[in-house]
Amino acid sequence: RKEVEQDPGPFNVPEGATVAFNCTYSNSASQSFFWYRQDCRKEPKLLMSVYSSGNEDGRFTAQLNRASQYISLLIRDSKLSDSATYLCVVLLYSSASKIIFGSGTRLSIRP
Amino acid sequence: AAGVIQSPRHLIKEKRETATLKCYPIPRHDTVYWYQQGPGQDPQFLISFYEKMQSDKGSIPDRFSAQQFSDYHSELNMSSLELGDSALYFCASSLGQDTGELFFGEGSRLTVL
Repeated sequence: RKEVEQDPGPFNVPEGATVAFNCTYSNSASQSFFWYRQDCRKEPKLLMSVYSSGNEDGRFTAQLNRASQYISLLIRDSKLSDSATYLCVVLLYSSASKIIFGSGTRLSIRP
Repeated sequence: AAGVIQSPRHLIKEKRETATLKCYPIPRHDTVYWYQQGPGQDPQFLISFYEKMQSDKGSIPDRFSAQQFSDYHSELNMSSLELGDSALYFCASSLGQDTGELFFGEGSRLTVL
């Protein structure tokens, strides 16, 4: 079982829709959680950190459920420019080798 | 604001040749990471440096080596290149090593023929 698992998608939704996807992690000692966005053939970019209390940044809301070991990303009022791959990232310990990337969820927003 | 700079952006090599990739982290960032991303795959951690010392090692082949210099730039040296080394190589930097907030360069695309 992979340490960080994501539904690869693709999620194909119309513009303006709300879309949500989850990411599960296997190690309960995981400390920090992040969502990155990666456009095709581009570098990953930090979208948002995920805090225990949940956090919101504009149309994006991230939630953490430690009991069930998953994090989620909700995108409201989706825009065409939201089309990308969303990577879930988990920091296990204070060690670079324990920054674990999920395989990503592909999101495609259609007009 | 200055970002992570990688060079070259594109590189074409033949099997068994060598290649060197360079990375200039964001000023004042003390940690540099190298990742390899094959087509349709997630980034795979290769190696990292903190304050010019190797801090962690991931799935870096023995044919590869890396170092960080006094000006904090880093180089990834790849020898005896194989077809399977064709990938996008990302460098990332961060402030401190106990963070998952990485800033990535645009990547160096290596094609091995």
